[in-house]
Amino acid sequence: DAGVIQSPRHEVTEMGQEVTLRCKPISGHNSLFWYRQTMMRGLELLIYFNNNVPIDDSGMPEDRFSAKMPNASFSTLKIQPSEPRDSAVYFCASSPPTSGKSSYNEQFFGPGTRLTVL
Amino acid sequence: AQTVTQSQPEMSVQEAETVTLSCTYDTSESDYYLFWYKQPPSRQMILVIRQEAYKQQNATENRFSVNFQKAAKSFSLKISDSQLGDAAMYFCAYRSVYNTDKLIFGTGTRLQVFP
Repeated sequence: DAGVIQSPRHEVTEMGQEVTLRCKPISGHNSLFWYRQTMMRGLELLIYFNNNVPIDDSGMPEDRFSAKMPNASFSTLKIQPSEPRDSAVYFCASSPPTSGKSSYNEQFFGPGTRLTVL
Repeated sequence: AQTVTQSQPEMSVQEAETVTLSCTYDTSESDYYLFWYKQPPSRQMILVIRQEAYKQQNATENRFSVNFQKAAKSFSLKISDSQLGDAAMYFCAYRSVYNTDKLIFGTGTRLQVFP
C-alpha cells in the first residue's frame, strides 16, 4: 500500500504567486482532510471531504484558499495569491469508510508539503 | 466545542526509562475517540495508540500505554523502556463519534530521549 501521496514535498514561491498542492488518498478511503501546521497555531483542519463532497470548510482561512476533489483519487489545495503568512507544512490525510460505531476511522497522513512564501 | 490541552511543551527522558505525557480534553459528549500521534523529524504523522471512550480498559501497544480517566477527561501516554527513536513531537487528538470525522489536536509535546 503506497499510503497517502502528496506533491510537491517542498515548494518555495514568491508572494502573489499561485500555489497548488496535490494529494492522492489511499485507495478505498472515502474521506480526505487538509491540515496546516505552523509553530504558532499547531495543526489546524482546513477542510475535509467525504465521498468527494466538501463537508466542513470552516477552517479555510480566507477566499485565497480553495480546495477541490474532482474524483476519489485526487485532491488539490490552491492558494491564490500566496502571502508570506501562508508559509507552513500542509498535510493531507485520508480515512476509510465508517463501519459501525466501533470504527475508529483512523486518519492516515501523507508526508506533508513544506510551503515557503517569500 | 471540544478542546484538547497538552500542558507540557517539552519533556525529556533517559534511554530505557519511562515517561508519561499528559493530555486533557473538554467535551460534553459521552462517546468519542482519543488518539496519540507521533511526529518525528521526518514530519510524518504516525498513529501510536487509540482509545474508545466507552471502553474502560486502557489501550496498550507494545511499549506504549494510556491512562484513560474519563471522569477527569484525562488521556496520558506512557512510554516504557524509552528508545532514541521515540524522540519526536507527540500530539493528543479527539474525535467525536457524532456527525463528524474531524480530529481536534492538542499543541503537542516535544519528547527528547537522552542516551
